Amino acid sequence: AQKVTQAQTEISVVEKEDVTLDCVYETRDTTYYLFWYKQPPSGELVFLIRRNSFDEQNEISGRYSWNFQKSTSSFNFTITASQVVDSAVYFCALSEVRDDKIIFGKGTRLHILP
Amino acid sequence: GAVVSQHPSWVICKSGTSVKIECRSLDFQATTMFWYRQFPKQSLMLMATSNEGSKATYEQGVEKDKFLINHASLTLSTLTVTSAHPEDSSFYICSARDAIGTFSSYEQYFGPGTRLTVT
Repeated sequence: AQKVTQAQTEISVVEKEDVTLDCVYETRDTTYYLFWYKQPPSGELVFLIRRNSFDEQNEISGRYSWNFQKSTSSFNFTITASQVVDSAVYFCALSEVRDDKIIFGKGTRLHILP
Repeated sequence: GAVVSQHPSWVICKSGTSVKIECRSLDFQATTMFWYRQFPKQSLMLMATSNEGSKATYEQGVEKDKFLINHASLTLSTLTVTSAHPEDSSFYICSARDAIGTFSSYEQYFGPGTRLTVT
């Protein structure tokens, strides 16, 4: 069965610090997708990234970067030079190609303090 | 592009009444839509998979008679919470799969959510 674990329930950092959100996943499939979503207080999910299981290249998008390591079944997310607007709940998620269901981790609530 | 809407965005209803939530894909066709429920400060839990023209598939523990799902067209799925009770109060989010790759093959796009409060 598929499972996503986000061990960090809540993190607080001071603005401009770097912060890494951890994500560990479990799946029996060889073909799957991993996601990160941001959920601000408004509730609407904001898509950040989708990565397929065959692409282990790290990705950088502005202040955001992702580290995908199949060897440790991890897909960690780093925010560099954090800003107050980054405060939100961040969800890591997994989808197995065979059924398309997206299974979410429990989320990490990130507080960026001014 | 790739917009999914939900209506209403929030609703308050009395205990015992039914409420319908709509999920629409505005600019692509969605043969499959998914319904999630999110309680305060918790994660999104998949409730059911809705397939156009066929019966929905419910996740374990979700009452199919309480949460009626209808996917009558390629752009619309509805979730009806029947005989709602205060414990059904939650944030309901749908997602739609871009079946023919109008924007991105098999990508799922999420709606903005509907906040249901049952008094």
